[in-house]
Amino acid sequence: DQQVKQNSPSLSVQEGRISILNCDYTNSMFDYFLWYKKYPAEGPTFLISISSIKDKNEDGRFTVFLNKSAKHLSLHIVPSQPGDSAVYFCAASRGGSYIPTFGRGTSLIVHP
Amino acid sequence: DAGVTQSPTHLIKTRGQQVTLRCSPKSGHDTVSWYQQALGQGPQFIFQYYEEEERQRGNFPDRFSGHQFPNYSSELNVNALLLGDSALYLCASNLGQGGEQYFGPGTRLTVT
Repeated sequence: DQQVKQNSPSLSVQEGRISILNCDYTNSMFDYFLWYKKYPAEGPTFLISISSIKDKNEDGRFTVFLNKSAKHLSLHIVPSQPGDSAVYFCAASRGGSYIPTFGRGTSLIVHP
Repeated sequence: DAGVTQSPTHLIKTRGQQVTLRCSPKSGHDTVSWYQQALGQGPQFIFQYYEEEERQRGNFPDRFSGHQFPNYSSELNVNALLLGDSALYLCASNLGQGGEQYFGPGTRLTVT
């Protein structure tokens, strides 16, 4: 039972344009959401997070939006750069656990 | 400042054998978590060690066991290997029982 779902296995975007990666979750107990980026032969690295008390968090080119009623979050990358090409994992955790449940990932390719 | 390190990088074992994977946490971190990432999946939580004790455990059988040493390094042991245990095993560390997790590059285990 996938509690965190990333329904798009891959996404291709032109350099300079916006990349939008989507994530849905089913467990209403999740209250903290994270995005990780993973390059080949490396472990996932933390990118950005958002608490359930917020609906938006921004860090430079990266913005995460949370829609609690729809149990949906998205990661926006503007402008996209070739170095952003990686697998992006959406993850969620619930209060007191701090252990993230991961989605299957979306492979982003940014073309020059 | 050394990040999370894991050894070995790659490992090939035969079904029914036992394997031990090792992890050294990021400097200053005292908590270690282990994840299994099967092909095409996101990382799945195996267990977490803090103060040399298993504090949380995911949905993995008892064939998966671990240990944390006084220097905070950790081992993951898997007994009676199955073909389905073939995966990338990731170690993550953090300070205390919460906080951002830093991942190592992983150990690629192949069971034949």
